[in-house]
Amino acid sequence: KAGVTQTPRYLIKTRGQQVTLSCSPISGHRSVSWYQQTPGQGLQFLFEYFSETQRNKGNFPGRFSGRQFSNSRSEMNVSTLELGDSALYLCASSYGTRQETQYFGPGTRLLVL
Amino acid sequence: GDSVTQMEGPVTLSEEAFLTINCTYTATGYPSLFWYVQYPGEGLQLLLKATKADDKGSNKGFEATYRKETTSFHLEKGSVQVSDSAVYFCALSGADTDKLIFGTGTRLQVFP
Repeated sequence: KAGVTQTPRYLIKTRGQQVTLSCSPISGHRSVSWYQQTPGQGLQFLFEYFSETQRNKGNFPGRFSGRQFSNSRSEMNVSTLELGDSALYLCASSYGTRQETQYFGPGTRLLVL
Repeated sequence: GDSVTQMEGPVTLSEEAFLTINCTYTATGYPSLFWYVQYPGEGLQLLLKATKADDKGSNKGFEATYRKETTSFHLEKGSVQVSDSAVYFCALSGADTDKLIFGTGTRLQVFP
């Protein structure tokens, strides 16, 4: 079974631009979660989608948004990029039942200049 | 709120040494507990998990036991290899959420 895939793997943007990251979950998984990883803040939860609905949200500004499609693929968008948004963005998928193991993709590394 | 505390790194060991990475947690109810490992330039891989008190998770020679009385989930391995060099994250998911709360990570460096 194919794992979680994320595209693109690397991205360079400038301040003020917006960016869209994509995540394809493991086949059969209906839940997709997004995390931001930075050296200073570690791994922080952004949001979780289940069956096209946002089920949980972390403490990030409204510039961070996401959505999930009917095939469970998910995208996250960051508008008006700031230097501090430079990070590794990780996507994880699971079947969606509570406390189910989440499986992570390789991440998208975003650099904001 | 829920939180995870794990020992600061780096942990530096010689090959075949015994490894312990401490992890304690604060949570309401009965969380599930996880250890994830991250190799350089990669995402997170699940190493092991435990879903209830006294459960022992194990994989690839690593073990961790869910201790509710001490709110701990320490990672152990009897004999580390150079290939175990990575960053290890302890995490929990609460009883009513799939959101993972991570510790700060512990870098393990194993030398031949």
